[in-house]
Amino acid sequence: DAGVTQSPTHLIKTRGQQVTLRCSPKSGHDTVSWYQQALGQGPQFIFQYYEEEERQRGNFPDRFSGHQFPNYSSELNVNALLLGDSALYLCASSRLRGGSPLHFGNGTRLTVT
Amino acid sequence: AQSVTQLGSHVSVSEGALVLLRCNYSSSVPPYLFWYVQYPNQGLQLLLKYTTGATLVKGINGFEAEFKKSETSFHLTKPSAHMSDAAEYFCAVSSPSGGSYIPTFGRGTSLIVHP
Repeated sequence: DAGVTQSPTHLIKTRGQQVTLRCSPKSGHDTVSWYQQALGQGPQFIFQYYEEEERQRGNFPDRFSGHQFPNYSSELNVNALLLGDSALYLCASSRLRGGSPLHFGNGTRLTVT
Repeated sequence: AQSVTQLGSHVSVSEGALVLLRCNYSSSVPPYLFWYVQYPNQGLQLLLKYTTGATLVKGINGFEAEFKKSETSFHLTKPSAHMSDAAEYFCAVSSPSGGSYIPTFGRGTSLIVHP
């Protein structure tokens, strides 16, 4: 049973560019959440998708957007990249019900130069 | 609003010694609580979770945590540290907000195990 898979594993972009990160959830999971983890920090919630809609959003600007597809996979898009966007981006899948633990992928390391 | 405070950004123990990682939370309603572990260049893995019922929760790799409502704490312990326990540990709290449960994570505690 495959867990959460993310691609690519590493990415280097220049300021002002746009990036798309991809995530496939664990089998049986219908909810995908995205987190940003800066070096030495805990994961910060970006947004959550369920039934192809954004259910909740954290304190991130509109430059961060996402999408969920009918097969539950998801994309995170970041426009107009800033140096401060350099971080590990984690995708986590779960079932929607309260208390359902998150299952994380290994993340995409984004470096903005 | 919910929040998590992990006391100590680094904890250093000798192999075989007791591990104690501290977590205090803030939540306006009874929360769900989690501990996750992160090894270098990997995502987070669930160690254990508290939902309802027994306040002492057993997890994987010999870890356990005790939910103390009066102290709003959920400290993680392990009787005897192994070298393989060296990693980053995150406490998370999840309570309902706008119909969703979105976990909030602490800043993490790096566990260092000396031979």
